[in-house]
Amino acid sequence: ETGVTQSPTHLIKTRGQQVTLRCSSQSGHNTVSWYQQALGQGPQFIFQYYREEENGRGNFPPRFSGLQFPNYSSELNVNALELDDSALYLCASSLDGANYGYTFGSGTRLTVV
Amino acid sequence: GESVGLHLPTLSVQEGDNSIINCAYSNSASDYFIWYKQESGKGPQFIIDIRSNMDKRQGQRVTVLLNKTVKHLSLQIAATQPGDSAVYFCAENSYQGGKLIFGQGTELSVKP
Repeated sequence: ETGVTQSPTHLIKTRGQQVTLRCSSQSGHNTVSWYQQALGQGPQFIFQYYREEENGRGNFPPRFSGLQFPNYSSELNVNALELDDSALYLCASSLDGANYGYTFGSGTRLTVV
Repeated sequence: GESVGLHLPTLSVQEGDNSIINCAYSNSASDYFIWYKQESGKGPQFIIDIRSNMDKRQGQRVTVLLNKTVKHLSLQIAATQPGDSAVYFCAENSYQGGKLIFGQGTELSVKP
């Protein structure tokens, strides 16, 4: 059984640029949730994807968008990057839209300069 | 509102002692709670969970206590080991689109 894998592990972008982060869900999981974790804080929910559709969204602007593919992998896209977008972006997979039984990946560390 | 931490509380214990980490949750309607451990450079790792119809649940060296009256969770770690050093987060479920709401986290430091 494979866990959740995220790529890349680290990324540096310039303010105003766009970024795409990728997540492969754990084998058998069909739901992917994305979280942003600023330094010294708990993860904040961005959105969840289930059956290739957005299944709930947190308090993040529209420039944060996502996709889920038929193989249940997912992408997080952020447009017009701002300095405050610098954070650890975590992906978690689960089953059938649940928010229990999460398995988290190790995250992508995004630095915006 | 949602719980957002700005300054990470710290707990320092001696190896072999018991540790107690506390958490206040925000939504009285939440019915599922989880404790996570996060080591540096890694994602949160599940430790133990509890549903709102229970007051206590035990795992291997860990116990979670739930007090719904005051919206309080605690994690007890018995015989704390250096490998337990990490940041610990509590999280509550929310039926608002399947999200988890995380607490601010507590950094546990174990002295050998």
